[in-house]
Amino acid sequence: GIQVEQSPPDLILQEGANSTLRCNFSDSVNNLQWFHQNPWGQLINLFYIPSGTKQNGRLSATTVATERYSLLYISSSQTTDSGVYFCAVREDSNYQLIWGAGTKLIIKP
Amino acid sequence: DTAVSQTPKYLVTQMGNDKSIKCEQNLGHDTMYWYKQDSKKFLKIMFSYNNKELIINETVPNRFSPKSPDKAHLNLHINSLELGDSAVYFCASSQGPGRKEFGSGTRLTVV
Repeated sequence: GIQVEQSPPDLILQEGANSTLRCNFSDSVNNLQWFHQNPWGQLINLFYIPSGTKQNGRLSATTVATERYSLLYISSSQTTDSGVYFCAVREDSNYQLIWGAGTKLIIKP
Repeated sequence: DTAVSQTPKYLVTQMGNDKSIKCEQNLGHDTMYWYKQDSKKFLKIMFSYNNKELIINETVPNRFSPKSPDKAHLNLHINSLELGDSAVYFCASSQGPGRKEFGSGTRLTVV
């Protein structure tokens, strides 16, 4: 099955810094999503981005499907950005999402 | 309006009890899911229903039984709870295989 790897596993930054989170996947996919799990455990869908680039405020994401990776950019980080960021992809053949292990982001004030 | 709502948010219960977690979505989605998030934050799919029919049933103990009375609801019933069932359970929905929206999670603690 598809393998999903996220890097880095942990990231600690000062407020105001920019960051790039990476998601590599081992096979072709037709669905890729980025999620943020905040410190209270809530899972929020950030982007549905099987290919191309999308922007939402300070966040943007780019997926290069042919090269099997996606990047999540966070600019001007705020403490509320802290949490775990998950990348999840869907195999062509079924509905199942394959999840990465996540990047734990801590933004210090 | 909450798109995917699950109740309760917290559930503390003794070993051997039977409990249910309810999930409702008001997005008009045709597919609903249950995920289990373990202590290492890893999310594993348990079940998926499309138009009230089971389409994914991963290897979970048969003490776990999903019930989908209609497209907008997918409840999770757990019999004979064990300590290892302690986790956060997430309900989610999507239109077909598209973008998933998640509920806020139910933290189950078995004592």
